[in-house]
Amino acid sequence: NAGVTQTPKFRVLKTGQSMTLLCAQDMNHEYMYWYRQDPGMGLRLIHYSVGEGTTAKGEVPDGYNVSRLKKQNFLLGLESAAPSQTSVYFCASRPLGLAGGIDTQYFGPGTRLTVL
Amino acid sequence: DAKTTQPPSMDCAEGRAANLPCNHSTISGNEYVYWYRQIHSQGPQYIIHGLKNNETNEMASLIITEDRKSSTLILPHATLRDTAVYYCIVLNSGYSTLTFGKGTMLLVSP
Repeated sequence: NAGVTQTPKFRVLKTGQSMTLLCAQDMNHEYMYWYRQDPGMGLRLIHYSVGEGTTAKGEVPDGYNVSRLKKQNFLLGLESAAPSQTSVYFCASRPLGLAGGIDTQYFGPGTRLTVL
Repeated sequence: DAKTTQPPSMDCAEGRAANLPCNHSTISGNEYVYWYRQIHSQGPQYIIHGLKNNETNEMASLIITEDRKSSTLILPHATLRDTAVYYCIVLNSGYSTLTFGKGTMLLVSP
């Protein structure tokens, strides 16, 4: 299994450009997440999905949109990129909660985005 | 979810035990303690979790105080590869989102 993969690994955008980040998982997980991480900070949740066709806002959703058309894919879109969106973006997935509080998320390697 | 407090940084000599503390004094009865770590430039990695009892797996041990207001993650024989930021997170079972603070930067030195 590849686990959680992210495409692309690096990207440089100009202010106002748009792009889509792709997250894919091959573990048949129900839940998927998009986080951003700024230097010296912990991860902050942007959007998440509890199943195919569903999405929900996280802590910092403004300026981003997401879609979960297929269970294995979770897309993060930036319609008009701003320098404040320069960050490292991590995707994660996890199965439905199991007995005993097992609630582990599996993270991808990250996408480093710079907006000039 | 209960908030957590961790020291910003800690040092440990290679081969020695690393004991990482976490304070979660407002934890409620149905909240679990989770530990993740993030090695530089990588995505976070799950380590261990617990509710009341102490837990051990192949990576670490988790010691939770009887009043559950604090916990300690123990790496019994730290290696250079354990250098990472360690996050202590408290959340309800089945709750769908994690909240990451700044964590503790553990530096393991030769």
